Parts: sequence; structure tokens; C-alpha cells
Amino acid sequence: AAGVIQSPRHLIKEKRETATLKCYPIPRHDTVYWYQQGPGQDPQFLISFYEKMQSDKGSIPDRFSAQQFSDYHSELNMSSLELGDSALYFCASSLRNQPQHFGDGTRLSIL
Amino acid sequence: AQSVTQLGSHVSVSEGALVLLRCNYSSSVPPYLFWYVQYPNQGLQLLLKYTSAATLVKGINGFEAEFKKSETSFHLTKPSAHMSDAAEYFCAVRLSGNTPLVFGKGTRLSVIA
Repeated sequence: AAGVIQSPRHLIKEKRETATLKCYPIPRHDTVYWYQQGPGQDPQFLISFYEKMQSDKGSIPDRFSAQQFSDYHSELNMSSLELGDSALYFCASSLRNQPQHFGDGTRLSIL
Repeated sequence: AQSVTQLGSHVSVSEGALVLLRCNYSSSVPPYLFWYVQYPNQGLQLLLKYTSAATLVKGINGFEAEFKKSETSFHLTKPSAHMSDAAEYFCAVRLSGNTPLVFGKGTRLSVIA
């Protein structure tokens, strides 16, 4: 069965640079979520989209933005990167009222 | 506000022994509860879910969990640990629908040969 696809798997950036993470949800899933997992931490919710509209907002910094496109894929845009942004970024997708399925994540390292 | 508390950041068991990972929830309404497993450098995989249909929930890889409203608990168990069960386990809660998951701090399970 198709799973959630995230790209890239690894990304290395320097401070103050920008990064774009991509997420391709499971076909026919109508909701996409983004989570951030710091080293040794639990995943923290950033933002979600339902039918291409933002539905919930968590602890997402103002330097970050996200959107969901007409083909339901989503992108997380991160600017003015800081050392503390180094983390695993997960995308998850679901159908309404169904469990979320996670991608393998993008590991972002800030030098 | 909803939250989950996982007791024990690290649990170590012998191969073949019972696995018990504890999770207590706090929610103002009947919650949806989940257990996810994370292997190193991988994403979170759904083990099982509670959505009020039955209090004893069976999941993948021989795991099960029992919802106890009186104790606000949703502990994860497996009768006999296998080396391949070594991973990080997260309990999570959400209110309903498409609301985001709130995760516990995680419990790292080690299995000793």
C-alpha cells in the first residue's frame, strides 16, 4: 500500500538559510499534518491542512509557513534557519476521523 | 486540554518476558487514544488505536492495550518480548476528527537476550 512520502530524507543547511520540505500524502487522504521532533523529544504538532485549507495551528514559528496544493501535497517552508531548528520533521496524513499515518521524516541539520 | 503521561522513559525486559508500557491520559471528553512505535531513523508506525468500540484493543506485532476509564489508563502490553520489539513507543491522544495528536514523552524499550 502507498505510504506518506517525504522529501528530502536528509537536509543540511547553514544558519539564516531557507529550506523547503515536501510531503506527498496517501492517495485520497484529505488531511495533512506537520510535526517537529527534536533530539530525544516527542513529536510536536506544527500545522495541519484539511482539503487544502489550514485547519489547526500548533507551535509553528513565524519564520515557518506551509501550504497544501491542489494535488494535496504539502510543503513546509522554513526561513532564517537557526541551530534549534535541527530536528526530524514528520508529515502525516489521514482521512477524517481515521488514524494518522506518518512518513519517514526529513532530518534537518543546521550547521 | 488533553495530554498523556508515559511512566518510565526507559523500560528493559528480557527476551520472552512480559512487556508493559504505561500511559495515562487526561481529557475533558472521551478521547481517541493511540500507540505508535518508532524504530531508529524511521517514522512513527501505528500499533493500535482506541476509538470507544471495545476496551481491549489488539494491534500489530502481538501488542494489545486496555482502555480503563476508571484509571484513565491505556497501558500497552505484549505477553512475550522479542528482540525486534526494541524501539521507542509513544502514546498519543486526540479529541476527535482531524485534530492533531498530542504525544507522550515516549518510552524506550530495550530487550535483553
